[in-house]
Amino acid sequence: ETGVTQSPTHLIKTRGQQVTLRCSSQSGHNTVSWYQQALGQGPQFIFQYYREEENGRGNFPPRFSGLQFPNYSSELNVNALELDDSALYLCASSPEGSGGRYEQYFGPGTRLTVT
Amino acid sequence: AQSVTQLDSQVPVFEEAPVELRCNYSSSVSVYLFWYVQYPNQGLQLLLKYLSGSTLVKGINGFEAEFNKSQTSFHLRKPSVHISDTAEYFCAVRKMDSSYKLIFGSGTRLLVRP
Repeated sequence: ETGVTQSPTHLIKTRGQQVTLRCSSQSGHNTVSWYQQALGQGPQFIFQYYREEENGRGNFPPRFSGLQFPNYSSELNVNALELDDSALYLCASSPEGSGGRYEQYFGPGTRLTVT
Repeated sequence: AQSVTQLDSQVPVFEEAPVELRCNYSSSVSVYLFWYVQYPNQGLQLLLKYLSGSTLVKGINGFEAEFNKSQTSFHLRKPSVHISDTAEYFCAVRKMDSSYKLIFGSGTRLLVRP
């Protein structure tokens, strides 16, 4: 049990729609990262937020966006869904803004299916 | 840029046998190294990490890994596996900077047979 929760567990969307995924971090964890894990692959870094601002981004288009709130919750928004967006989306929280030696704690993920 | 290669997509092994899961990485800068385990329909759990110091790192559930800088490898080992070790294992690296960005390998499925 990492103390990181994600909702919903599963959802199905249609191509072209928009989706919002949610993550709740442990209290005091002011850094959150989001990853996309396609079937049979390792997770890929989408972006990182620290104190409500994006401070790192992977190779994902602008239709992937995020928000982080003062209550240690965060959202991943994906617009204009494509079939290739079908994946497990993981969030991970950390206790500090600086990577260093601190550990990330992963949530159980949200499985998104785009039809 | 960093990259991680896990050469074996699947490793079948009998219960109580030893196992080694291989991981090689490429990076132009110093990195931290990690092994994560993912059980079916679950998130990632940290098994162990190498930050500095002794190159032999011990983790949870009896796993250990050895960092070899000259071979840029970080292989995961367990002397005797259990059925419950059946899972997907991911090797990952992270730059020694302010980012938490992890670069993952494609994973190795460990299949433990009775």
